[in-house]
Order: sequence, then structure tokens, then C-alpha cells
Amino acid sequence: GQQVMQIPQYQHVQEGEDFTTYCNSSTTLSNIQWYKQRPGGHPVFLIQLVKSGEVKKQKRLTFQFGEAKKNSSLHITATQTTDVGTYFCAGKPQKAAGNKLTFGGGTRVLVKP
Amino acid sequence: NAGVTQTPKFRVLKTGQSMTLLCAQDMNHEYMYWYRQDPGMGLRLIHYSVGEGTTAKGEVPDGYNVSRLKKQNFLLGLESAAPSQTSVYFCASSWAGQGAYEQYFGPGTRLTVT
Repeated sequence: GQQVMQIPQYQHVQEGEDFTTYCNSSTTLSNIQWYKQRPGGHPVFLIQLVKSGEVKKQKRLTFQFGEAKKNSSLHITATQTTDVGTYFCAGKPQKAAGNKLTFGGGTRVLVKP
Repeated sequence: NAGVTQTPKFRVLKTGQSMTLLCAQDMNHEYMYWYRQDPGMGLRLIHYSVGEGTTAKGEVPDGYNVSRLKKQNFLLGLESAAPSQTSVYFCASSWAGQGAYEQYFGPGTRLTVT
């Protein structure tokens, strides 16, 4: 079955620094979504990417969908303590019906002030 | 709007006991989902429903049953709980359609099976 891998599993970042987390799928995706889960909370939708090579920005967050639609990345600039949490990517295979997503294992971000 | 709500928030069961988790959404969403979240393993889909009266198996369905008798409710049942079912359970809902739509998650139920 489809697998979605995220690296790194943990990211320790100094406040103010930049970092990138990566998401790789074993199959071609029709789209990819990113979610953020704060400690003790539930996943909250951040963004969806649909087109090959698409890039979207949300303030300090930049999301990219690969040309082959099998990978994605999330880049955060000038990390703040409010960025603490786990970031999940979730992909929908191209031939899948409905809205069934496969989630990656997540990147847990810890920020050192 | 309350969004997606789950009851209970916490539960401790003994091995072999049964229980039902309730999920309710007030957004008129067609699709509903049950996930479990274990440390370091992300979210794994247990069962899902594409409409009232329909359910389907997800990635890890064994040991669970579901029902969607009303559009706004999605129930997850454990007939005979096992320690391996200790986890955090999240319900989610979304719109239906050809494309993919964001999923709205409930606050979760933390279940411990001893």
C-alpha cells in the first residue's frame, strides 16, 4: 500500500533559525495537505497543494509540491516558540476515490529560546 | 458551531471490556473518519464513512466496528478491548467531492487498556 515518510522525525531549532521538513510518498499523489498539531491538541489543517511544482506561502511558512507529485516540503523561516508542535503531511493517491488520506509520521518541532 | 466533538475525552478499560466512542459534527459533512495516533506513528485510518448508512475499512480496522446511522454521528466500537488498543483516537470530517478537502478533527479521546 501507499506509504508516506517524513524526515526528520524530530527537529530541534534555535529560535530565529530556519529549517525544512520533508515528505516523500511511495506513489504519485493527486494532492498533498499539511497539518499542525500542538502538544496535547488535535491536527489542524494548514494548506493543500494540488499542482506539480506548486509553491504556497503562509507568512513564515513556505510549502512546496514536487514536480513528480511524490514529495513535498515545508520550510519555516525565523522560527518562533509558537511554531512548536508536530507537522504532518497527508497525501491522496492519484487513483484513490473520495477523500482518504495517508498521513506521514510527522516532524516534531522543538524550539530553543 | 461546535465543529467536531468527541465523547468521552478519557477512558480506562480493562482487557476484554467493550466501549463505544461517539463523534458528532455540525458542519453537514458527508465524510467522516476515525484515526488512531500512537507515538511516532502519525495518524492511521481505522474506518471511514462516505455517507449516512455506509462505512468502509481503513488501514487498521481489526478489533473495531463502526456505524453511521445519522449523517452527523459516527460511532467507533471496541467489542473486546486489548492493551494494543491503548491510543489516542481522533475523529474527523470533511466535505465530499472529486477533489480533496481539508479534514476537521475533534479534540480526541485518550484510551488506556490495562
